[in-house]
Amino acid sequence: AQSVTQPDIHITVSEGASLELRCNYSYGATPYLFWYVQSPGQGLQLLLKYFSGDTLVQGIKGFEAEFKRSQSSFNLRKPSVHWSDAAEYFCAVDPYNQGGKLIFGQGTELSVKP
Amino acid sequence: NAGVTQTPKFQVLKTGQSMTLQCAQDMNHNSMYWYRQDPGMGLRLIYYSASEGTTDKGEVPNGYNVSRLNKREFSLRLESAAPSQTSVYFCASSEFESGSYEQYFGPGTRLTVT
Repeated sequence: AQSVTQPDIHITVSEGASLELRCNYSYGATPYLFWYVQSPGQGLQLLLKYFSGDTLVQGIKGFEAEFKRSQSSFNLRKPSVHWSDAAEYFCAVDPYNQGGKLIFGQGTELSVKP
Repeated sequence: NAGVTQTPKFQVLKTGQSMTLQCAQDMNHNSMYWYRQDPGMGLRLIYYSASEGTTDKGEVPNGYNVSRLNKREFSLRLESAAPSQTSVYFCASSEFESGSYEQYFGPGTRLTVT
């Protein structure tokens, strides 16, 4: 079945450590890809997006993501995590590349240890 | 600019009651969306509207109706609320321009059905 998978439900990292959040999708073509962040009790904010071109995408707050076609993955990375990065992170896919319906992963909750 | 606004922020309903969730955007976007967010399931699309006057079902439309009142406003109605509709509801809007877009999300409505 077509889906978006975030294998890690919850991740804890120490402040200053590096971070990688995984996202895999199972759609035949290359969909549009997004990462959103949700702070507690808030709406979703876009971190970055990939439509085409350079497979390494830079986003806000020091985040980046790399699209790997061969692995159907779009993993989110940050070299040094700050306590304010604690939040829930969602990978999303537009499988029809029509600027419309998004399919979201289950989310990964990030905790940051001091 | 307020972006995407939603009312109410919180609501408690009894089973069988009806209510309408309101959403408005001031970004002149053509497309608007309603999602629900449940723990461990990410966000799932309920209905969307590609433009004023059009609506279409998403992944989980049963038990809901929508109205695209004008370009700014997109409401979600629960005719007979059920406990399974306890969730956080998010409205979003977007505009596909120059081969790119992002969805902007409102702050959400937390609905409890008892």
